[in-house]
Amino acid sequence: DQQVKQNSPSLSVQEGRISILNCDYTNSMFDYFLWYKKYPAEGPTFLISISSIKDKNEDGRFTVFLNKSAKHLSLHIVPSQPGDSAVYFCAALSGANNLFFGTGTRLTVIP
Amino acid sequence: ETGVTQTPRHLVMGMTNKKSLKCEQHLGHNAMYWYKQSAKKPLELMFVYNFKEQTENNSVPSRFSPECPNSSHLFLHLHTLQPEDSALYLCASSQDRLAPDTQYFGPGTRLTVL
Repeated sequence: DQQVKQNSPSLSVQEGRISILNCDYTNSMFDYFLWYKKYPAEGPTFLISISSIKDKNEDGRFTVFLNKSAKHLSLHIVPSQPGDSAVYFCAALSGANNLFFGTGTRLTVIP
Repeated sequence: ETGVTQTPRHLVMGMTNKKSLKCEQHLGHNAMYWYKQSAKKPLELMFVYNFKEQTENNSVPSRFSPECPNSSHLFLHLHTLQPEDSALYLCASSQDRLAPDTQYFGPGTRLTVL
């Protein structure tokens, strides 16, 4: 059973608007969460992370929110740009153990 | 060349073939990983090497055989694969096994088993 779930396989957003990508997890032992971005024909690249002791982390246009009680995190991109079009993977970590990935959400930003 | 490179980028093989995937990292990292990504499934960790020693084998069938001759190179030897093994195989590296959250990924090898 998947421990990290991204239930929306795709999302389309108009340029300049906010993109919100969601991720749910089942393992309460996860204490660190990451978002990766993947362009076609390239490997995933690290985007932003958040520790379980925080509920928000911001880096430029990217903000990740963590709701531990709901076991839910989200990535907000504002304003969205066409170059943000990619597949976004959510991942979770427990201690120094392995990363568990979601299935990804394909974001398309329409110019 | 920088980062993590993988060759070949695409591979088509029959079920009786033997082939190898190669990964090379130019980041001075000590941990390397093989992942498998099948369609509509999350990335699945296959193997972990830390300082050239295999530290994890995630119940991977023996038809996949990893090799790590040094901290910069990682191979995945393939033999008698099945069509369901068709997937994208990603290599990654991190400073060490204790820092899996800072993994750098290669572009992957798209494998098709006929």
